[in-house]
Amino acid sequence: EAEVAQSPRYKITEKSQAVAFWCDPISGHATLYWYRQILGQGPELLVQFQDESVVDDSQLPKDRFSAERLKGVDSTLKIQPAELGDSAMYLCASGSGGGDTQYFGPGTRLTVL
Amino acid sequence: QKEVEQDPGPLSVPEGAIVSLNCTYSNSAFQYFMWYRQYSRKGPELLMYTYSSGNKEDGRFTAQVDKSSKYISLFIRDSQPSDSATYLCAMSTDSWGKFQFGAGTQVVVTP
Repeated sequence: EAEVAQSPRYKITEKSQAVAFWCDPISGHATLYWYRQILGQGPELLVQFQDESVVDDSQLPKDRFSAERLKGVDSTLKIQPAELGDSAMYLCASGSGGGDTQYFGPGTRLTVL
Repeated sequence: QKEVEQDPGPLSVPEGAIVSLNCTYSNSAFQYFMWYRQYSRKGPELLMYTYSSGNKEDGRFTAQVDKSSKYISLFIRDSQPSDSATYLCAMSTDSWGKFQFGAGTQVVVTP
C-alpha cells in the first residue's frame, strides 16, 4: 500500500538553530500539504502545494518558515531560526483531488530546547 | 469561536460497547467530512470519508452527516482495546482544499 514518507521522525534542536523536514507524497498525488499539530490540538494547515505551486500559505510564519516543492514531487519544510514555540508534530499529507481525500505521513516530532 | 468543535474527552468505555463521537461546525459550505484515527505519536489514519449528508458504513464503523444541524457523528461497534486512540474529525468545502480539524477526542477502551 502506498504511503506518505517523512524524515526525520524525531528532531531535537536548540532555539535559533535551523531545521528541515522532508516529505515524499504518494506517487501521482499532485497536492501536498504541511500541517503543524500542537499536543492536544488538531492539525493546522501551514502550506498547500498543487504540483510545484503554492496554493495556500496564509498560515505559514514566513519570517522563519519556508517550504518548497521544486519538481512537484517531494517537498522540504524549513524553520530558521527555530523558537521554543515551534515544538510540535509536523505532518505531511498528500491527495489526488477529484473527490479523493488527504493521506497523512507518520510526522516529524520537533522539540526545541 | 472555532469553525469545528469536538469534545476532547477522554471517553472511556468497556470492551464491546458502542463508542459514539461527534463534531459540530459552523460553516454551512462544508461538503466533505472525514474521520481520522491517531495513535499516540503517529500520523492520522483515514477511517471514513463522506460527501454531503447521509450515512456510510464500513465494518464496525458508521459515519453520519446531518448538514441541517451542522453535526457529524462516528459510531464504533463492538469496541476493542486496539480502538483506544484519538479520533479527529475534519471537514472541507472541496475535496482538495483546506481541511478544518477538530481538536480530537481521546477514546479509551478498557478490557
